[in-house]
Amino acid sequence: AQTVTQSQPEMSVQEAETVTLSCTYDTSESNYYLFWYKQPPSRQMILVIRQEAYKQQNATENRFSVNFQKAAKSFSLKISDSQLGDTAMYFCAFFGSNYQLIWGAGTKLIIKP
Amino acid sequence: ETGVTQSPTHLIKTRGQQVTLRCSSQSGHNTVSWYQQALGQGPQFIFQYYREEENGRGNFPPRFSGLQFPNYSSELNVNALELDDSALYLCASSLGLTADTQYFGPGTRLTVL
Repeated sequence: AQTVTQSQPEMSVQEAETVTLSCTYDTSESNYYLFWYKQPPSRQMILVIRQEAYKQQNATENRFSVNFQKAAKSFSLKISDSQLGDTAMYFCAFFGSNYQLIWGAGTKLIIKP
Repeated sequence: ETGVTQSPTHLIKTRGQQVTLRCSSQSGHNTVSWYQQALGQGPQFIFQYYREEENGRGNFPPRFSGLQFPNYSSELNVNALELDDSALYLCASSLGLTADTQYFGPGTRLTVL
């Protein structure tokens, strides 16, 4: 069975700094997808970034980028030039052959002014 | 394009009662997945519906049941409510069973007293 682990329950940084959130996963599959979702206090789960496992190139979306290390089963999220609106829970999720999302426990990110 | 909607936003029930939660999928999406998110945790997969048939179920008892209608909207029913059923229930829709990217509604907060 697949598992997703986020080892940082909470992180805080100053506005405009760069922050990296960690995620590791375990699977025996070779084709899968990985995601970072953001959940602000409004509760809506918002897709931040998506990575296809068969692509070696790391995904980027504006200030958000990932460091995908397939052999190490690591998938970290880097947020550059952090903004107050980035304050939220961040979840790492795995999508494989059973077509369901497997989630980590989340990291609470606080951006301080 | 209309996003995923859920109703009600929140509700309070007492132990032993039954509850029905509703979800309208994003336009054109024929697959709906339901997740339970307990306070301070990541979401847990309940089940998924594709073209009105259940396709995949997580580790939830039979008192959790669902439906998907011809317009691809969906219901989650929970019978014999227990205190531990108190959680945020998230609905997500996607374009097809194998589509990796899921789009989430705002959730329904259920409190069982």
